[in-house]
Amino acid sequence: NAGVTQTPKFRVLKTGQSMTLLCAQDMNHEYMYWYRQDPGMGLRLIHYSVGEGTTAKGEVPDGYNVSRLKKQNFLLGLESAAPSQTSVYFCASSSNQDRPAETQYFGPGTRLLVL
Amino acid sequence: KQEVTQIPAALSVPEGENLVLNCSFTDSAIYNLQWFRQDPGKGLTSLLLIQSSQREQTSGRLNASLDKSSGRSTLYIAASQPGDSATYLCAVRDGGKSTFGDGTTLTVKP
Repeated sequence: NAGVTQTPKFRVLKTGQSMTLLCAQDMNHEYMYWYRQDPGMGLRLIHYSVGEGTTAKGEVPDGYNVSRLKKQNFLLGLESAAPSQTSVYFCASSSNQDRPAETQYFGPGTRLLVL
Repeated sequence: KQEVTQIPAALSVPEGENLVLNCSFTDSAIYNLQWFRQDPGKGLTSLLLIQSSQREQTSGRLNASLDKSSGRSTLYIAASQPGDSATYLCAVRDGGKSTFGDGTTLTVKP
């Protein structure tokens, strides 16, 4: 199993450009999450999904959109990139959001630089 | 709103020393607390998960404790090694989402 994979690993954008980050998991997990991590800070939840066709806002959703058309994929879109969106983006998945024993599995991250 | 704090932000110790990392949270109504390790430029690797009904979990040289009533967790690392150098993050799950601390960056000097 590959676990959670993210594409691309690194990207440079100019202000105003758009892009889509792809997250894929092969563990048949229902729940998927997008986080951003800024220097010296923990992870902040952007959006999440509790199943195919569903999405919900997290702590810092502004400037991002997401889609979960297939259970194994969770896409994060930036319609008009801003320098404040320079960050490292992590995708995670879990089989169930509400069981106490449930853990999240993380991808390797996508480094995004917006000039 | 749940808030998670980790102290200290950075820690440097000589090899072989035992050490404790701290994590505190403001809302005790949690499902679980999880400790992660993050190496530079890498993703997060789960170390230990303590369910809300548990008091501690152990894995090798690592021991994590949970005191929900006081909103605290500690990660104890025994006989530290240079390979333990990394950033350690704690995260609490309170049903809908996970809230992360800012992490403690550990350096173990040979």
